[in-house]
Amino acid sequence: NAGVTQTPKFQVLKTGQSMTLQCAQDMNHEYMSWYRQDPGMGLRLIHYSVGAGITDQGEVPNGYNVSRSTTEDFPLRLLSAAPSQTSVYFCASSYPEGDTQYFGPGTRLTVL
Amino acid sequence: ELKVEQNPLFLSMQEGKNYTIYCNYSTTSDRLYWYRQDPGKSLESLFVLLSNGAVKQEGRLMASLDTKARLSTLHITAAVHDLSATYFCAVAKYIFGTGTRLKVLA
Repeated sequence: NAGVTQTPKFQVLKTGQSMTLQCAQDMNHEYMSWYRQDPGMGLRLIHYSVGAGITDQGEVPNGYNVSRSTTEDFPLRLLSAAPSQTSVYFCASSYPEGDTQYFGPGTRLTVL
Repeated sequence: ELKVEQNPLFLSMQEGKNYTIYCNYSTTSDRLYWYRQDPGKSLESLFVLLSNGAVKQEGRLMASLDTKARLSTLHITAAVHDLSATYFCAVAKYIFGTGTRLKVLA
């Protein structure tokens, strides 16, 4: 099993550009989530999904869109990149409720 | 709004010493998770605590949960350099504390 994979690992964007961060898992997990990690602020939830076709907003959803058309994939779209979106982005997956989350390796995004 | 606070934020300790990291949260929850993150790496699951009074141990780390006090502790016994990392607690699966950066000095 590859676990949770994320692409790309690094990305530099200019302000106003759009892009999609890819996340895939091969563990048949129902739950998937996106976080951003900024220095001194821990992880903050952007969006999450409890199953294919079901998504919901987390703590910091503005400027990001998600969709969940399959159990395996949960892409995160930046609509119009801003310097405030410079961060490390982590995708995670889990079984429902009590199960721990399994994290991908992260994407380091810089917006100039 | 559920808030999660960890203390201390930074901890520098000598090898062989014991210490405890605290995780306080603001509203009722019976699910608490501990993770470890090495510099530049992803998060790795350490413990899942799913009920009041739950205690889990792995090596030199022991985690406990008191849901009535809304408090979890991560106790480090006889620290070694390899435990140097940032430790996060998370409540209700998705709400993370700001992390405790631990440095164990030889």
